[in-house]
Amino acid sequence: AQSVTQLGSHVSVSEGALVLLRCNYSSSVPPYLFWYVQYPNQGLQLLLKYTSAATLVKGINGFEAEFKKSETSFHLTKPSAHMSDAAEYFCAVSDIQGAQKLVFGQGTRLTINP
Amino acid sequence: DADVTQTPRNRITKTGKRIMLECSQTKGHDRMYWYRQDPGLGLRLIYYSFDVKDINKGEISDGYSVSRQAQAKFSLSLESAIPNQTALYFCATSDFDRNYGYTFGSGTRLTVV
Repeated sequence: AQSVTQLGSHVSVSEGALVLLRCNYSSSVPPYLFWYVQYPNQGLQLLLKYTSAATLVKGINGFEAEFKKSETSFHLTKPSAHMSDAAEYFCAVSDIQGAQKLVFGQGTRLTINP
Repeated sequence: DADVTQTPRNRITKTGKRIMLECSQTKGHDRMYWYRQDPGLGLRLIYYSFDVKDINKGEISDGYSVSRQAQAKFSLSLESAIPNQTALYFCATSDFDRNYGYTFGSGTRLTVV
């Protein structure tokens, strides 16, 4: 069975600082990995995805993530935080075969301090 | 118009009542899903459907049922609502051939009192 663990339910950074949101996955088959963002009172929006091509994936709003198979990780980073980045972020894993169900992590709420 | 439309956006209902949440999509995707979001638990899969004749239970299907009326419509029912079904519910679609992830609706906030 696949699973995702997001380390830290809340992360707080200062505006302009590095954002690092951690995600580790477990999968018995090669995974597809995703990061979604949820702004207050909105649905989920895809930030970026890894689908077995380049291991460093760039997404929208300056975010990127690196797939590291040896560490079973897919951490999300942004060099310089902006106030508008405040939101909840979800990491998710899907198998590339079979049912293609997304399994989500618990979510990390990102707060940006002025 | 949104690609994935959920109705209603908000609903308050009483314990024991039957309630239906509706989802329609214009993406032309075969696969549709219902998820439930609770604080600290992320999103958990309730039911998913690969086509109108293929319905599958997710990890938390107890107390829920679904109907795939057409390729574009997938509804979720709570036969007898209970307070711990208070949550934010999301419908999503995906394209099997591309697996580019899901397209989510805006969610239905359900409160059972």
